[in-house]
Amino acid sequence: DAGITQSPRHKVTETGTPVTLRCHQTENHRYMYWYRQDPGHGLRLIHYSYGVKDTDKGEVSDGYSVSRSKTEDFLLTLESATSSQTSVYFCAIRAGRVYEQYFGPGTRLTVT
Amino acid sequence: QKEVEQNSGPLSVPEGAIASLNCTYSDRGSQSFFWYRQYSGKSPELIMSIYSNGDKEDGRFTAQLNKASQYVSLLIRDSQPSDSATYLCAVNMVYTGNQFYFGTGTSLTVIP
Repeated sequence: DAGITQSPRHKVTETGTPVTLRCHQTENHRYMYWYRQDPGHGLRLIHYSYGVKDTDKGEVSDGYSVSRSKTEDFLLTLESATSSQTSVYFCAIRAGRVYEQYFGPGTRLTVT
Repeated sequence: QKEVEQNSGPLSVPEGAIASLNCTYSDRGSQSFFWYRQYSGKSPELIMSIYSNGDKEDGRFTAQLNKASQYVSLLIRDSQPSDSATYLCAVNMVYTGNQFYFGTGTSLTVIP
């Protein structure tokens, strides 16, 4: 898993509550990514980071924000969770000569 | 048109047969191509990367790339029941700043 951990691994929350997911890596990778995975849509990029305090939007960024105050941690926040944000969330890092991405174990989020 | 397209399957092959998985992509400028394997309830695991036209072999896996036809495939020889999983194609899209785009995956079942 390329030294990537995600927390929590499972979470159930109510509509309208804020939620923060954490991705932690131990190998000092510069690039980190947040994806969501839904049936029929595959993996879609939410936000990514290319360094401390450097972030950018992906394909499905609406309703999400991110922060990266340390190289090792990349946080994904749902300011006010909605049922459409029920999904499996994966964090990834970029490494290697051809920019391969390696994934963390995932967080299953259910918004009721 | 989606950036990366795969047949969703399911694809079933008998044990010992060759499984062939296909993927097409839209960005002619794409440089790098990846195959991930994802077991149910787990995170995607990188199994092959390819960036030059032709074939690349790694054990029982062969990736094939044809940039003129915008086509990449994965062959699994001597398929085993443990190969049963969903296979994701990913393309590094140059025009989006090297972001990955994923296909929706092909479900493979190897029948003992």
